[in-house]
Amino acid sequence: EAQVTQNPRYLITVTGKKLTVTCSQNMNHEYMSWYRQDPGLGLRQIYYSMNVEVTDKGDVPEGYKVSRKEKRNFPLILESPSPNQTSLYFCASSFGQGSNSPLHFGNGTRLTVT
Amino acid sequence: GDSVTQMEGPVTLSEEAFLTINCTYTATGYPSLFWYVQYPGEGLQLLLKATKADDKGSNKGFEATYRKETTSFHLEKGSVQVSDSAVYFCALSDLGGANNLFFGTGTRLTVIP
Repeated sequence: EAQVTQNPRYLITVTGKKLTVTCSQNMNHEYMSWYRQDPGLGLRQIYYSMNVEVTDKGDVPEGYKVSRKEKRNFPLILESPSPNQTSLYFCASSFGQGSNSPLHFGNGTRLTVT
Repeated sequence: GDSVTQMEGPVTLSEEAFLTINCTYTATGYPSLFWYVQYPGEGLQLLLKATKADDKGSNKGFEATYRKETTSFHLEKGSVQVSDSAVYFCALSDLGGANNLFFGTGTRLTVIP
């Protein structure tokens, strides 16, 4: 089944403790992206990647890192999480950049930083 | 910069009622426009899209028409069902593609029997 898989689904951590949220897609998509969803703000893009070893900042990259060593994986790294990073995070992927390449989303990771 | 303004929610309707969720946009170029739907506990799914002025996107009984003169892309459905209860997001891409989307804030729809 074609899908984007994020892990974990839920994560509670403390300020400053490094964490990684994994994202994997099995559709051989070139493009991958991370979003955070906050009430009243919709989805905001954190980082995206057009292909292996190519990553770029989105609208809200501060406090986050990503890597794209393999085509299928695009982990999101929080080196020193803070409470303002408490949010619902979504990974997404698509085959290309044309309008006929819709984004496929994972089911989300709810992160709480205390 | 590019942005999307979406009707505030939440919206509560009875089954078989008519639905309209307003969406207007600001963009410097000629964006592609999308509606995504998020069911409880799930990620977003593409509902419909339109890539140029006067295009009408449609899917599952939902429709939206790309109106360049009013910079709008309102979502409509003639008769909603309980299963349509979800959060709906309007989005645009100014690259002519489906990536690097600017999302609206989302509108929660609840349909009651």
